[in-house]
Amino acid sequence: EVQLLESGGGLVQPGGSLRLSCAASGFTFSYYSMTWVRQTPGKGLEWVSTIYGNGAFTYYADSVKGRFTVSRDNSENTLFLHMNSLRAEDTAIYYCAKDPLTSGGHYLDYWGQGALVTVSS
Amino acid sequence: EIVMTQSPATLSVSPGERATLSCRASQSVSSDVAWYQQKTGQAPRLLIYGAFTRATGIPARFSGSGSGTEFTLTISSLQSEDFAVYYCHQYDDWPLTFGGGTKVEIK
Repeated sequence: EVQLLESGGGLVQPGGSLRLSCAASGFTFSYYSMTWVRQTPGKGLEWVSTIYGNGAFTYYADSVKGRFTVSRDNSENTLFLHMNSLRAEDTAIYYCAKDPLTSGGHYLDYWGQGALVTVSS
Repeated sequence: EIVMTQSPATLSVSPGERATLSCRASQSVSSDVAWYQQKTGQAPRLLIYGAFTRATGIPARFSGSGSGTEFTLTISSLQSEDFAVYYCHQYDDWPLTFGGGTKVEIK
């Protein structure tokens, strides 16, 4: 059974940093691209970033480019999202999701339960 | 950026009735559209990919159609567990984008 479990969310001040983790199990993690999607009540679902299975390629939404970095540790079956220079508008539930292929840019066949990030002073 | 526009925003349907949800892309996305169901407090769940292929374990009452810029998700006979928010998603080009959602509520 595929399982994705996010952690690392919380309250952070504007300008601060946070690292989200997503522990994966139930599939061969290194084979598949992984994606971060966030959700706010006002803006719905927003794609944030994708990383290929081998980590060779990464993609970012313009809204986070230069501030967020996606990475993965295939030996530990874990996906990361390093978030710097956080803004109030980054407040959202962050989901990690699995791509059905090793190259990214596809639909998302499994999602984690989400981690809440709140940026506020 | 490809904008995905869903309509209606809210759909009121009685159990057992048919629900038809629409999604329009601002430019052609071929058949690279997925649909997700999201219940309150839960993560989205994949229903349809490739515009019309049901994901594993999805009941046959869910069907998708369309190509290019116009897409439809049909729920043939609504069950109580189908009342939720539904999102379309295009993966034809970066950035990946989602529609704003259609809430299917009990009439």
